Amino acid sequence: SQQGEEDPQALSIQEGENATMNCSYKTSINNLQWYRQNSGRGLVHLILIRSNEREKHSGRLRVTLDTSKKSSSLLITASRAADTASYFCAFNAGNMLTFGGGTRLMVKP
Amino acid sequence: NAGVMQNPRHLVRRRGQEARLRCSPMKGHSHVYWYRQLPEEGLKFMVYLQKENIIDESGMPKERFSAEFPKEGPSILRIQQVVRGDSAAYFCASSGLTANTEAFFGQGTRLTVV
Repeated sequence: SQQGEEDPQALSIQEGENATMNCSYKTSINNLQWYRQNSGRGLVHLILIRSNEREKHSGRLRVTLDTSKKSSSLLITASRAADTASYFCAFNAGNMLTFGGGTRLMVKP
Repeated sequence: NAGVMQNPRHLVRRRGQEARLRCSPMKGHSHVYWYRQLPEEGLKFMVYLQKENIIDESGMPKERFSAEFPKEGPSILRIQQVVRGDSAAYFCASSGLTANTEAFFGQGTRLTVV
């Protein structure tokens, strides 16, 4: 399968804690993107990291990319209850944007 | 600049009917992607289109499903003779000048086949 794999599949933390989600893929990629999806809603683009970048920050988000290990991680610092959502990694391999299975994050107040 | 617009948001069809899902990409975007999502699962690629061309339809079932992105108007995903297994959320995304830029998603169409 060309799909990415994410772990953990589900993560439950307390407000204020950090959340780390990991994504692995199998092919060569041009870039990797992270998305958030609230229940029953569309996907919101969070961040894009190119294959020649190793780390990128956006507010409380930190994304790393290790092309030698074909993996990426998304770190959300100082989590809030509003961060509760599913998070997906997606990577450009050829024509399509291929998604991982997602991590369901629950942040308890 | 409006985002990616999909309509309808919810669609109910009886088995055997046709479903037509519409997607208007962001202004200036010429690449459109369709994805299907089953409950509690990730997104599965279906088809990638540019204006008037299907670039990659490797994820789309060979029968009953078709997609188009005409020169004028929205992209259409058409499902003929729907079956219960077609019930899912269908998302459209668009991206700009090349396929390797950020893709922005619509809110999806939730198809229920009864």
